[in-house]
Amino acid sequence: DAKTTQPTSMDCAEGRAANLPCNHSTISGNEYVYWYRQIHSQGPQYIIHGLKNNETNEMASLIITEDRKSSTLILPHATLRDTAVYYCIVRVAWDQGAQKLVFGQGTRLTINP
Amino acid sequence: DGGITQSPKYLFRKEGQNVTLSCEQNLNHDAMYWYRQDPGQGLRLIYYSQIVNDFQKGDIAEGYSVSREKKESFPLTVTSAQKNPTAFYLCASSIPGIGTEAFFGQGTRLTVV
Repeated sequence: DAKTTQPTSMDCAEGRAANLPCNHSTISGNEYVYWYRQIHSQGPQYIIHGLKNNETNEMASLIITEDRKSSTLILPHATLRDTAVYYCIVRVAWDQGAQKLVFGQGTRLTINP
Repeated sequence: DGGITQSPKYLFRKEGQNVTLSCEQNLNHDAMYWYRQDPGQGLRLIYYSQIVNDFQKGDIAEGYSVSREKKESFPLTVTSAQKNPTAFYLCASSIPGIGTEAFFGQGTRLTVV
């Protein structure tokens, strides 16, 4: 499975853009990059995913490098409620066609007032 | 509202007892998953099911069992054979396919004393 590498923690000021990097240098051509976040003691929440093009939705933007070896999640105007652990995940085809999400330890993002 | 419901949120059991965690979804998803999360760690896959009456072991299936008799239900039994059962358990579901997102329940925190 492709593995991801993320910084352990990051801080960002409220109202500023939060840019969370992720390295996935061994990603295969058919593997998607997913981002989830988890607020303490809750289930992970889906944010966004992409294959090779940049993606944007109401929560965030995902920028994937041309070689697909790294990506950046952008929260354009961070609020205190964005404080969470953010997981960059590669979703791999696995075992009779099922998919699985391979979680690392994520980045603990703290938004400061 | 559509979603995944896990119950109970907190569960206490004595060592040596089997315990069953409930997971129900009304999203009409074929695929369902069980993950385990230990403090400060990412999620690890226990079992998954792509379709009714079929399920496969994940990365840490020892000491756990599942059933999938109905599309909307995927209960997890933590048996007495599981050496370290105290953890946060998360259930997820998705449409099969590599480009789709998974939806998570709010988790069950199991404490074995």
